[in-house]
Amino acid sequence: NAGVTQTPKFQVLKTGQSMTLQCAQDMNHEYMSWYRQDPGMGLRLIHYSVGAGITDQGEVPNGYNVSRSTTEDFPLRLLSAAPSQTSVYFCASSPPRSRTYEQYFGPGTRLTVT
Amino acid sequence: AQTVTQSQPEMSVQEAETVTLSCTYDTSESDYYLFWYKQPPSRQMILVIRQEAYKQQNATENRFSVNFQKAAKSFSLKISDSQLGDAAMYFCAYRSGGGGSEKLVFGKGTKLTVNP
Repeated sequence: NAGVTQTPKFQVLKTGQSMTLQCAQDMNHEYMSWYRQDPGMGLRLIHYSVGAGITDQGEVPNGYNVSRSTTEDFPLRLLSAAPSQTSVYFCASSPPRSRTYEQYFGPGTRLTVT
Repeated sequence: AQTVTQSQPEMSVQEAETVTLSCTYDTSESDYYLFWYKQPPSRQMILVIRQEAYKQQNATENRFSVNFQKAAKSFSLKISDSQLGDAAMYFCAYRSGGGGSEKLVFGKGTKLTVNP
């Protein structure tokens, strides 16, 4: 049982490049989400999904795309990277219809855009 | 929209002493959940403790306990017998209680230093 996995752990991009951050979970969780963490800002929700084929925007969605074709995977796409997207990105998941369960977080991806 | 405020960017405590981290939140909902997460230098987010708003009893987990004041919308974390391994960023988080409302709203965090 690997939990929530994220790849890569570190990435450096040049402005304008695109890339996909991968997130996978093997716990059959319906809910998955992406957060970004910036110094002094806590974690902010980018996009989330309540199940395969269903996604929605969070607090800071601009510049990011997501899709959810399977229960296990929830990739985050940066269409044209900007220095403002330099951050640590966390993927999280939680069990179906959970009322008290916490969200399980992946180890994070540190992204630097130069 | 709900907001979570952690007014202490940094705190320090002596090993074996007790420290309290503050958190206040703003919501018009009556059904919700509150969490404290710990983030050590490894960056991993670790759940420390959770509190259901409908429960009057304060949650406890070993050396960690909360003081939940629903009317005041306050949710502080008390760490007793502090250990060097408690040094980390601590985040307070809010989640609505409605079905499908899994989104977490985080505070900006408190950096806790434990002095030997």
